[in-house]
Amino acid sequence: ETGVTQTPRHLVMGMTNKKSLKCEQHLGHNAMYWYKQSAKKPLELMFVYNFKEQTENNSVPSRFSPECPNSSHLFLHLHTLQPEDSALYLCASSQDDDSNSYNEQFFGPGTRLTVL
Amino acid sequence: TQLLEQSPQFLSIQEGENLTVYCNSSSVFSSLQWYRQEPGEGPVLLVTVVTGGEVKKLKRLTFQFGDARKDSSLHITAAQPGDTGLYLCASQGTDSGGGADGLTFGKGTHLIIQP
Repeated sequence: ETGVTQTPRHLVMGMTNKKSLKCEQHLGHNAMYWYKQSAKKPLELMFVYNFKEQTENNSVPSRFSPECPNSSHLFLHLHTLQPEDSALYLCASSQDDDSNSYNEQFFGPGTRLTVL
Repeated sequence: TQLLEQSPQFLSIQEGENLTVYCNSSSVFSSLQWYRQEPGEGPVLLVTVVTGGEVKKLKRLTFQFGDARKDSSLHITAAQPGDTGLYLCASQGTDSGGGADGLTFGKGTHLIIQP
C-alpha cells in the first residue's frame, strides 16, 4: 500500500449503531487529520494529531471520538450519529517539520458515510 | 478563521477552451495551496504559492498569487476532459507559519470539460 488509505470506503449505519473509520498512512508522516466534506459546506477540519497527541478539536460533537494509537494509524469512532452527519470523511497526513513549512497535506480517498 | 471565497462555483466548458477560477479572502494568506479532487477520491495537492505576485506553472495550469496575498487564480489553457474535477484552494491562516495545523478550504469550483 502507498499513500494514505481509508477503510471502509462506504458505510451505511443507523443512528443507534457504533462504527469506526480507519486511516493508515504509509508516508512516514508525524501528523494526521480528520476532515468532513458535505455537499453544502467547505471541507471542514475536525481533528489534528501531531506525534500521536491531539492538538486540535474543531468543536466537534462528542458523538465523534478520534483515536491515534501511533503516528501511522488514525481512527474515528462513531456512535449515535444523526442523519446530518452523512458526509465524506477524509483523512490526511503531513510531515510537521522544517521540510514542510506550508503544511502540505496528503489525503486518503475518504469514507462515504450515510446515516439512516 | 479565515474565509476563502471561490468563484465560479460551477463551470462547464468545451474541450480546448481556456478558463480561470478564483480564490479570494479579506485577510492576508501566509501561503495558499491549490488542490484538485476527482469523484470518489481525496484532494490532491497541485501547488503552493507563497510570495505576493508569484506565478507558478504546472503544464497547462498557471497559478498566480496576488500582490497583496489576499487572492489567487488558476488559469487552465486548452482544457481537456482529464481536467474535470473539484478545484479547491486552502490556507493555513494568517502568518501562522508551519506546523501541524489544519487547513481552511474554500467551497471549490466544480469544473466539467466536455469532449
